[in-house]
Amino acid sequence: GDSVTQMEGPVTLSEEAFLTINCTYTATGYPSLFWYVQYPGEGLQLLLKATKADDKGSNKGFEATYRKETTSFHLEKGSVQVSDSAVYFCALSDHGGATNKLIFGTGTLLAVQP
Amino acid sequence: GAGVSQSPSNKVTEKGKDVELRCDPISGHTALYWYRQSLGQGLEFLIYFQGNSAPDKSGLPSDRFSAERTGGSVSTLTIQRTQQEDSAVYLCASSLDRDRTEAFFGQGTRLTVV
Repeated sequence: GDSVTQMEGPVTLSEEAFLTINCTYTATGYPSLFWYVQYPGEGLQLLLKATKADDKGSNKGFEATYRKETTSFHLEKGSVQVSDSAVYFCALSDHGGATNKLIFGTGTLLAVQP
Repeated sequence: GAGVSQSPSNKVTEKGKDVELRCDPISGHTALYWYRQSLGQGLEFLIYFQGNSAPDKSGLPSDRFSAERTGGSVSTLTIQRTQQEDSAVYLCASSLDRDRTEAFFGQGTRLTVV
């Protein structure tokens, strides 16, 4: 079945460091890919998305490119800030599959230290 | 409403009691999801409603769990004979349709079974 695998955390970085959070997926149809973020004490919110191969989603300095050949959607940011500390979830929605439900990875906790 | 609303925000119940969790999705959103987030765990899919289609119940962990969605709007997740392992944050999300649109999450209901 469809699944999402993302790197385990926590990821601890110093401010202004480069961030990569790996995400790979398995899907039977034509998935859209998402990154959601959960800041401390807040609900999940969409960070960025890509709906087809080679699309790049971007928001708040974060980027992720939909790589069909490697079934990946890695999240990157060139210079993290303390305010980026949160849990990041990779997700997919498989439109050609048996169901359209959103499937999430286990989440990666990012802690940015000043 | 302005966003997805869940109630109650916190619920403490005794083992063996039944609980009902409520979700008011964003007006006009045809898709509604329930997820469970346990401490240190990712988002566990529970159930998915899409318009008038039969719900995808494949994520419900046992027959003690059920959900309904009345009139294509409000949804209620019911847990019968609660167990301590049911303690978690229960998240509801809605999206505009089954296409590549984002899901909007509520703040969740924190359920504690004592």
